[in-house]
Amino acid sequence: EVQLVQSGAEVKKPGESLKISCKGSEYSFASYWIGWVRQMPGKGLEWMGIIYPEDSDTRKSPSLQGQVTISVDKSINTAYLQWSSLRASDTAMYYCARQLGRGFDIWGQGTMVTVSS
Amino acid sequence: QSALTQPAAVSGSHGQSITISCAGASSDGGGYHYVSWYQQHPGKAPKLLIYDVNNRPSGVSNRFSGSKSGNTASLTISGLQAEDEAEYYCSSSTSSSTLGVFGTGTKVTVL
Repeated sequence: EVQLVQSGAEVKKPGESLKISCKGSEYSFASYWIGWVRQMPGKGLEWMGIIYPEDSDTRKSPSLQGQVTISVDKSINTAYLQWSSLRASDTAMYYCARQLGRGFDIWGQGTMVTVSS
Repeated sequence: QSALTQPAAVSGSHGQSITISCAGASSDGGGYHYVSWYQQHPGKAPKLLIYDVNNRPSGVSNRFSGSKSGNTASLTISGLQAEDEAEYYCSSSTSSSTLGVFGTGTKVTVL
């Protein structure tokens, strides 16, 4: 079964760093763009960015420039979303998803990130 | 890129058809050409219903269909069923950019 499995929920303090992961299986991981989507509590979906595992080509939403880093290790079929200094406003559910055409057809189960002092 | 505009809520009776709109204009004036639609039930990950305006992934019911006219895209759900009650989001990107944006979301209620 084609799937994306994300790392578990995280509880962090403001200013701490964090890296969450998304591991693909049962498909040619390097050949499909992987995207990240944020959903703050009770809110809608926000398109964060995409990365192409084959060459790490990355496209990020202008509103997130400098706030998060999207990376990938194609040798282990895993994409990452990373923060160097978390803020309370980063509290959200984060989904990774595989891109089909310009849509996301396979989604991870989500990683809940809670940032609180 | 600004969020695409969707109605906050749409409702319909069991068996009826409803249409959800998704309106927006790109910053470069080129218009959004690649539209996808998602269904999200509470506490669940979104599910792709339509991609690239009117393509259905395998396994998605043909009760869901997409279309686009000018800078407004639409999702039609025919033969409304209880399990269709969910939040629906459109998403799009322009032909000149691979960056995407989601719509504001529409809550569908089955009466």
